[in-house]
Amino acid sequence: SAVISQKPSRDICQRGTSLTIQCQVDSQVTMMFWYRQQPGQSLTLIATANQGSEATYESGFVIDKFPISRPNLTFSTLTVSNMSPEDSSIYLCSVMLQTFSGNTIYFGEGSWLTVV
Amino acid sequence: GQSLEQPSEVTAVEGAIVQINCTYQTSGFYGLSWYQQHDGGAPTFLSYNALDGLEETGRFSSFLSRSDSYGYLLLQELQMKDSASYFCAFTIIGAGNTPLVFGKGTRLSVIA
Repeated sequence: SAVISQKPSRDICQRGTSLTIQCQVDSQVTMMFWYRQQPGQSLTLIATANQGSEATYESGFVIDKFPISRPNLTFSTLTVSNMSPEDSSIYLCSVMLQTFSGNTIYFGEGSWLTVV
Repeated sequence: GQSLEQPSEVTAVEGAIVQINCTYQTSGFYGLSWYQQHDGGAPTFLSYNALDGLEETGRFSSFLSRSDSYGYLLLQELQMKDSASYFCAFTIIGAGNTPLVFGKGTRLSVIA
């Protein structure tokens, strides 16, 4: 597995502001993913971030709202822009690793954002 | 379309065995994963099945039948700490940006 660290772990944010979440992995990984989990809901993929290329966003998510950086193979950031209460969620960084049984995705501890 | 179905809630007694079923619908299916999430925590990887059959990891086992588009997670010797949400998720071949599509989760409550 990998050690995936996210910062901040929790934050309370004012409506209209932006917050950048950092994700650090203890090994080099090609594919990193950002997920969102709204309260009581399942996980939804926001975007895939590969080093050296622009992030690819899923339907319903746009770069202006969720800009992503991937400057190297161990680090990525996700910014939640112009936040509203609907953005209150857990934001999860994840990586795909090759394991004995195939490709496996591991998650960071999550960043719990509350927008007031 | 792509979808996964799993029960929303399951309750079981400590020490018992519980099975959480997951049926899926997709094309280009690659593998089925299971994740555990405790309240206030992030999802943690439990198991992955790419081939038909049973994978065992300690008290947890996972089964896949590709022909039936069906899998399950089996938890044995249930402990109170197993109370959590369990998500099945599949990986799709060639979908590029969608490595995991998650079900809505099954909330397991273990009672004494």
